[in-house]
Amino acid sequence: GQQVMQIPQYQHVQEGEDFTTYCNSSTTLSNIQWYKQRPGGHPVFLIQLVKSGEVKKQKRLTFQFGEAKKNSSLHITATQTTDVGTYFCAGRGRFGAGTRLTVKP
Amino acid sequence: DAGVIQSPRHEVTEMGQEVTLRCKPISGHDYLFWYRQTMMRGLELLIYFNNNVPIDDSGMPEDRFSAKMPNASFSTLKIQPSEPRDSAVYFCASSWAGRNYGYTFGSGTRLTIV
Repeated sequence: GQQVMQIPQYQHVQEGEDFTTYCNSSTTLSNIQWYKQRPGGHPVFLIQLVKSGEVKKQKRLTFQFGEAKKNSSLHITATQTTDVGTYFCAGRGRFGAGTRLTVKP
Repeated sequence: DAGVIQSPRHEVTEMGQEVTLRCKPISGHDYLFWYRQTMMRGLELLIYFNNNVPIDDSGMPEDRFSAKMPNASFSTLKIQPSEPRDSAVYFCASSWAGRNYGYTFGSGTRLTIV
């Protein structure tokens, strides 16, 4: 069946550094979604990408969808302590393992 | 809108007992999903419904698990009999027009089987 793989599993950065998480699907996706889950919370929808090669930005967050629609990335510029949490990609309702981001002030 | 409402928030039950988790999706959403989250297995899709009809239950672990959606505003996930390995956070999520839009998650039910 379809699998969504995500790396890295953990990322610890100094505040102000950049952060990137990568997502790969074993099958072509019609779209990919990204979610953020704060410690002790529930996943919160961030964005959906639909088109091949699509790039979307939300303030310091940049999301990309690969040309083959099998991979995606989330890049955060100049991390802040408020960015702490686990970032998940999801395709066809299946979630990647997530990347847990911690930020040192 | 109150969002997706799950109950109870926490449940501690003895092994062998029946457990029922409840979910009220957002009004107007036509898809409902049940997920289980553990450290070891991450977020697992258990089952999802479209217009109250189960579409894919391939993620349901075994026959001890069952889910129903008797109407558009209510769903249950039942475990009978419960086992310690069922301990996890169970999330319900709903969406409109299926997977083409973001899912709205409930706050989850933290289930502990002792």
